[in-house]
Amino acid sequence: AQSVTQLGSHVSVSEGALVLLRCNYSSSVPPYLFWYVQYPNQGLQLLLKYTTGATLVKGINGFEAEFKKSETSFHLTKPSAHMSDAAEYFCAVSEGSGGSNYKLTFGKGTLLTVNP
Amino acid sequence: NAGVTQTPKFQVLKTGQSMTLQCAQDMNHNSMYWYRQDPGMGLRLIYYSASEGTTDKGEVPNGYNVSRLNKREFSLRLESAAPSQTSVYFCASSEQWGANEQYFGPGTRLTVT
Repeated sequence: AQSVTQLGSHVSVSEGALVLLRCNYSSSVPPYLFWYVQYPNQGLQLLLKYTTGATLVKGINGFEAEFKKSETSFHLTKPSAHMSDAAEYFCAVSEGSGGSNYKLTFGKGTLLTVNP
Repeated sequence: NAGVTQTPKFQVLKTGQSMTLQCAQDMNHNSMYWYRQDPGMGLRLIYYSASEGTTDKGEVPNGYNVSRLNKREFSLRLESAAPSQTSVYFCASSEQWGANEQYFGPGTRLTVT
């Protein structure tokens, strides 16, 4: 069964600092990996996704994530935090090509606070 | 193009009451999903419909039923609401069944007293 672990339920950074949100996964087949963002009182919005190909994936709002198979990780980064990045971030995994379980499994989320 | 819409936005029920949450998408997507979100739990899949005419249980289906009314609409019904069903409910859709990205609605905040 696939699973996702997000290290740190709450991360606080200063404006302009590096953002690093950690995600580790387990999957019995090559995974598809996603990062979603949820702003207060809104639904989830896709930030970026990895399916196949290049392991460094760029998303919206300056975020990127790197798929590291050897570490079973898909950490989300942004070089310089902005106040508007304050939100909750969810990592998710589904089975990729060759699998049959396409249901998304979500991590418990990481709340990002950006301090002025 | 509204994407995924949900009604109502807020609802308060008494224990034992029933209600239906409505969801519609205008993206011509084949697959639709219902999730619940609870603090510290992430999103958990309640039911999904891989294609029109099919529905399947997800991780937490007990106490819920669904109907895929047509390709656009997917409703979630609580027959006899319980306080444990107090949650935020999200509907989502994806182009196909098969690891496609999902698009989420704005959510319904449900309180059961």
